[in-house]
Amino acid sequence: QVQLQESGPGLVKPSQTLSLTCTVSGGSSSSGDYYWSWIRQPPGKGLEWIGNIYYSGSTYYNPSLKSRVTISVDTSKNQFSLKLSSVTAADTAVYYCARGPNRWYFGLWGRGTLVTVSS
Amino acid sequence: SYELTQPPSVSVSPGQTARITCSGDALPNQYAYWYQQKPGQAPVLVIYKDSERPSGIPERFSGSSSGTTVTLTISGVQAEDEADYYCQSADSSGTVVFGGGTKLTVL
Repeated sequence: QVQLQESGPGLVKPSQTLSLTCTVSGGSSSSGDYYWSWIRQPPGKGLEWIGNIYYSGSTYYNPSLKSRVTISVDTSKNQFSLKLSSVTAADTAVYYCARGPNRWYFGLWGRGTLVTVSS
Repeated sequence: SYELTQPPSVSVSPGQTARITCSGDALPNQYAYWYQQKPGQAPVLVIYKDSERPSGIPERFSGSSSGTTVTLTISGVQAEDEADYYCQSADSSGTVVFGGGTKLTVL
């Protein structure tokens, strides 16, 4: 059974870069059958799509975050990653990685990881 | 920017039918998807492509679409269905958008 697991620092200082990795177990990030995505949820608030990537490296980003976001995939490690630069307190959220059969929706989610931006 | 509008809350008694709506101008041209999120857990897809149900999702969950509104219907609501529900779609430029979420309370 395929599982996704987010990992990375739980605390990031303002103006620094948030870096998270999603490890795919029981499946392959190099599969052409799926898109790999990042979604976040500030505490007590709703969901926000950050972006997604295809195994070939094609990426799609939320325009509101595009200038600060980079999503990449490392098929050799069965991982994909998120980098969000110049973070502020507004970027404090639970960050989820997810998988979908296309770039439009998400059929499998990781458990999420809370990232707090604070000095 | 494009928005999907959901009611903040819906309340029903056990065994009744809950209907959660989601409105958006692009919905006639884009599929809608629905997620259930229980406290402290990741969202779970319950409806895709307006009305399709993933394997493992109970038959009491159904989806429908009419014009600029899509509806998630939960028939015979059970206590375990109490959760936040989010609709999701995309705008004309391909940006994925979520609704603000609806808290379903089972009385």
